[in-house]
Amino acid sequence: DTAVSQTPKYLVTQMGNDKSIKCEQNLGHDTMYWYKQDSKKFLKIMFSYNNKELIINETVPNRFSPKSPDKAHLNLHINSLELGDSAVYFCASSHLRQGEGDTQYFGPGTRLTVL
Amino acid sequence: AQKVTQAQTEISVVEKEDVTLDCVYETRDTTYYLFWYKQPPSGELVFLIRRNSFDEQNEISGRYSWNFQKSTSSFNFTITASQVVDSAVYFCALSENNAGNMLTFGGGTRLMVKP
Repeated sequence: DTAVSQTPKYLVTQMGNDKSIKCEQNLGHDTMYWYKQDSKKFLKIMFSYNNKELIINETVPNRFSPKSPDKAHLNLHINSLELGDSAVYFCASSHLRQGEGDTQYFGPGTRLTVL
Repeated sequence: AQKVTQAQTEISVVEKEDVTLDCVYETRDTTYYLFWYKQPPSGELVFLIRRNSFDEQNEISGRYSWNFQKSTSSFNFTITASQVVDSAVYFCALSENNAGNMLTFGGGTRLMVKP
């Protein structure tokens, strides 16, 4: 009965590699997000998709490419990984109703370590 | 630009003490939403409360209470009779009406409750 799930939970890889993180939600939400939490615990939005369409794209290197095959999934693909990409990546989902400020529910996070 | 400040980076209390976590926000929007999330040592982000800018009523949920004051742009969180299980990082967050439901987080307050 997991609401927002992410795989893998831990990802250790070498600099220069390409990796993907998967996210799925079963809450029936139409909007999904990716956030990055750095080593100082600071959380920042990266992307948001509504009904498979990109609606938020904060200043993120184009090595990061989100892909949304359907409303329930938002995957994050990262090319040419760098040391600075090491962080915890959180997926979240919500409804997106104008003027409602819908609550976002977060996945358990994926800890990415780039060596 | 929206901004959220949690001036207390770390608070340490002894069990059964009351503790207040401060949150001050900045926004030019008249319609906005405020949230608190809890991040326990296990790492997940747990939703606690959502408040819209038109609802200044204080809210109480068990040992938790929230004080929203538009006059001072603050949304403070109080834990009464703290318990060891309350030890976590607590995040205050803001979303504006026309920002695609994007959350802007404060830097977080680490609360340590000692037995």
